This record gives sequence, structure tokens and C-alpha cells, in this order.
Amino acid sequence: DAGITQSPRYKITETGRQVTLMCHQTWSHSYMFWYRQDLGHGLRLIYYSAAADITDKGEVPDGYVVSRSKTENFPLTLESATRSQTSVYFCASSEGRNTEAFFGQGTRLTVV
Amino acid sequence: AQSVTQPDIHITVSEGASLELRCNYSYGATPYLFWYVQSPGQGLQLLLKYFSGDTLVQGIKGFEAEFKRSQSSFNLRKPSVHWSDAAEYFCAVGALNYGGSQGNLIFGKGTKLSVKP
Repeated sequence: DAGITQSPRYKITETGRQVTLMCHQTWSHSYMFWYRQDLGHGLRLIYYSAAADITDKGEVPDGYVVSRSKTENFPLTLESATRSQTSVYFCASSEGRNTEAFFGQGTRLTVV
Repeated sequence: AQSVTQPDIHITVSEGASLELRCNYSYGATPYLFWYVQSPGQGLQLLLKYFSGDTLVQGIKGFEAEFKRSQSSFNLRKPSVHWSDAAEYFCAVGALNYGGSQGNLIFGKGTKLSVKP
């Protein structure tokens, strides 16, 4: 089906482990984004990508790594998970600059 | 830096009553403005958007919003709320001058809507 999918939907990991959250979109949108959602903070941008092989930091990039070797995929890696990274992570894509973003269902990550 | 303020964290309305959710933005030029809705455990769904032209925009599910440049506001309205409208609502702004560290869309912190029967 067309759309944007995230996996896994739920993940529990231990402090210090590396974990990768996957994001896949079928629209061939140029732009992709990772946000985290926390109570009292709304959605904050972690990283974004304007095209394959082009990525840049958002508001809260520390502790995260992204790559975009293919237009349709935009994985987010926590290199060494910390409890402060417990959050709900949303991937989104958009066709161009300042157009509406389409969101995945989210990944609820718990770091214990 | 651009910012979005949603002054109301939580609003409760009775079913059938009218609704207005407030959104104020901080940006010098004409912004691109959006309202999203998030049901529990779900992602965000676009309700409506404003890019230019008519300042009153219609969206899905019977929602509308009005852009008021003089007040830097983009308030969301619905004439008659249904129980299924209970959700969290986010206002967002996209900046014309792309760049910096905040990316494509900047979100407010959200307003949670509860609907009384």
C-alpha cells in the first residue's frame, strides 16, 4: 500500500544499546523528517533530509544518526540509547519545501 | 526564530457546541500554516493548510481556519463538535526562508480537546 510506514511500532531497549528505527515511504517524496514527541514539548525535529544523500540536523540531533542512501528510506539510529531518548518517534515526508508533511504511525521507544 | 504558540493546553466542550482553538505564530514574512489532528496512538493527519489567497480555509471533517495577519493568528474552528473530534490538535508553520536548524515545519505544543456528551 502507498504511504509512509514505520517499524517497529514498539521497542524496548537497554541503556547503551544501539537501536535503529525504520521509515519507508512510497510516494517518492524528496523531503523526509524525524520528529520526537514528548509531553510538554510537542514535536521537535531531530533530522531532516532534502534528498537522497542530503541530511541535516534539526532542533534536537544529539545522540542520533541518520542516513538516506535511497529516496524511500530514512532510518534513524540511536548510537547508544539513553533514558532521555524514551519517546514517541514520528517519521514524515513531504513533496517539497513548505508543503504539507505526511506522517507515519509512530514508534514508541522505551529505554530502560 | 520562528515559533508557534497554542495558548490552551486542554479544552473541554460539550458535544454540539462550537469550537475555536487558538494558534499564534512568530514570523516576519507570510508563513505557510497548517493544522494537524492526532488521535490517541496514531500519527498526525492534516486537517487544513493555508498558503495564500482567501484567508478563510476549509478543511476536512468540517473544520475551518482563518488567517489573520494583523494578529499573527491562525485559529481553528468548527461550528458543532462531535464526540469523535476528541483528539490533540497541532498548529504548525513552514518558513519561506528555508534553512537553520528547525527544518520544514515548526509545531506548537498542541491542544488536547475533550468532548462532553
